[in-house]
Amino acid sequence: QLQLQESGPGLVKPSETLSLTCSVSGDSISNTNFLWGWIRQPPGKGLEWIGNIYSGGSTYYNPSLKSRLGIALDTSKNHFSLKLSSVSAADTAVYYCARVGRGSITIIQGVRTEENYFNFWGQGALITVSS
Amino acid sequence: QSVLTQPPSVSGAPGQRVTISCSGSTTNIGAGYDVHWYLHLPGTAPKLLIFGNHIRPSGVPDRFSGSKSGSSASLAITGLLAEDEADYYCQSYDSSLSGAVFGGGTRLTVL
Repeated sequence: QLQLQESGPGLVKPSETLSLTCSVSGDSISNTNFLWGWIRQPPGKGLEWIGNIYSGGSTYYNPSLKSRLGIALDTSKNHFSLKLSSVSAADTAVYYCARVGRGSITIIQGVRTEENYFNFWGQGALITVSS
Repeated sequence: QSVLTQPPSVSGAPGQRVTISCSGSTTNIGAGYDVHWYLHLPGTAPKLLIFGNHIRPSGVPDRFSGSKSGSSASLAITGLLAEDEADYYCQSYDSSLSGAVFGGGTRLTVL
């Protein structure tokens, strides 16, 4: 049975780096049928995509977070991680990790896009940025 | 301000049918990208309901159905049950943002 579990510090000081780990059981993060991703939900707001990583290590980030963001795989521990630097109160949110399904391929104006969706989610971890 | 627009709330009585709309633009749904739908009970893990506009994952009841037309999509729920009371989110891909985008979410209340 697939399970994803986020773990992190809970509280991070402004300007520091937020680090989260998603432990995966019931599937291998080396499975090429899926990607692995992060999504967050600030208090009282909607969902925001953070970024995805392929089993081979290629990453795709939300452009608004790209300069501060790093997502990596650790195949020896079957987990993947998120690091977000220079955090502020605006980064306070519930952070979810998810397995990402590889959907249909769309070609629009010559640009090939694999349409992904989040087919299994973790319970989420509340991260508060405060001094 | 979410890229995809959903009504903040909808409601219906048990047994009734409700629809939740998701409106996009020419850089996402209107460009031909797929729409996916999620159910979220606050405090729990969101759950995939529909992917690829209309495909139900294994285990999702056929009371849930999705459709897409032009720059919009809809999630229909028939035979409303009290357990359907939750937040619902649509998601697509946006070419101008080069990534996944979500709607702001719709709170379904079962009267």
